[in-house]
Amino acid sequence: AQSVTQLGSHVSVSEGALVLLRCNYSSSVPPYLFWYVQYPNQGLQLLLKYTSAATLVKGINGFEAEFKKSETSFHLTKPSAHMSDAAEYFCAVSDLDNFGNEKLTFGTGTRLTIIP
Amino acid sequence: GAVVSQHPSWVICKSGTSVKIECRSLDFQATTMFWYRQFPKQSLMLMATSNEGSKATYEQGVEKDKFLINHASLTLSTLTVTSAHPEDSSFYICSATPGHQNTDTQYFGPGTRLTVL
Repeated sequence: AQSVTQLGSHVSVSEGALVLLRCNYSSSVPPYLFWYVQYPNQGLQLLLKYTSAATLVKGINGFEAEFKKSETSFHLTKPSAHMSDAAEYFCAVSDLDNFGNEKLTFGTGTRLTIIP
Repeated sequence: GAVVSQHPSWVICKSGTSVKIECRSLDFQATTMFWYRQFPKQSLMLMATSNEGSKATYEQGVEKDKFLINHASLTLSTLTVTSAHPEDSSFYICSATPGHQNTDTQYFGPGTRLTVL
């Protein structure tokens, strides 16, 4: 079974500083990996996804993530944090069920706080 | 971009009553829709997967008779929480995807907060 572990339920960084949100996965097959962002009282918005093409994936809002098979990691980074980046971030891995439906397994989330 | 809406955005009901939540894909046809629930400060947990015109597939531990899912058209899926109890209070989120390939992006609705008194 697929699983995702996000280290650090809360991360605080100063505005302008590097953002690093950690995600490690467990998968028996080459995974498809995702990062989603959730703003308060809103649904999830896709930041980026890895689908076995380039290992460095660039997403929206200046975020990027690097797939490292040897470390089973897919950490999310942004060079310079902005106040608007404050939100909850979820890492997810997808797999197909017996009916061919894509199923997402989410990590527990990391709440990012930006310090002015 | 693809937009998914949910209605209502929040609902309060009495214990024992039933509540229906709608999930609509506004600008694309959704062959598959997913229902998740999210407890406070926790992650999303998949409840069920529904394909248009067929019965929903429920995750282990989710009561199919309590959480009725209907995916009658390519743009609408409904989740009915029957005989709701306070422990059913949660944030319910739907998502929709236009295809069957597992690289297809799931587009998420804004969620429905259910409070059962």
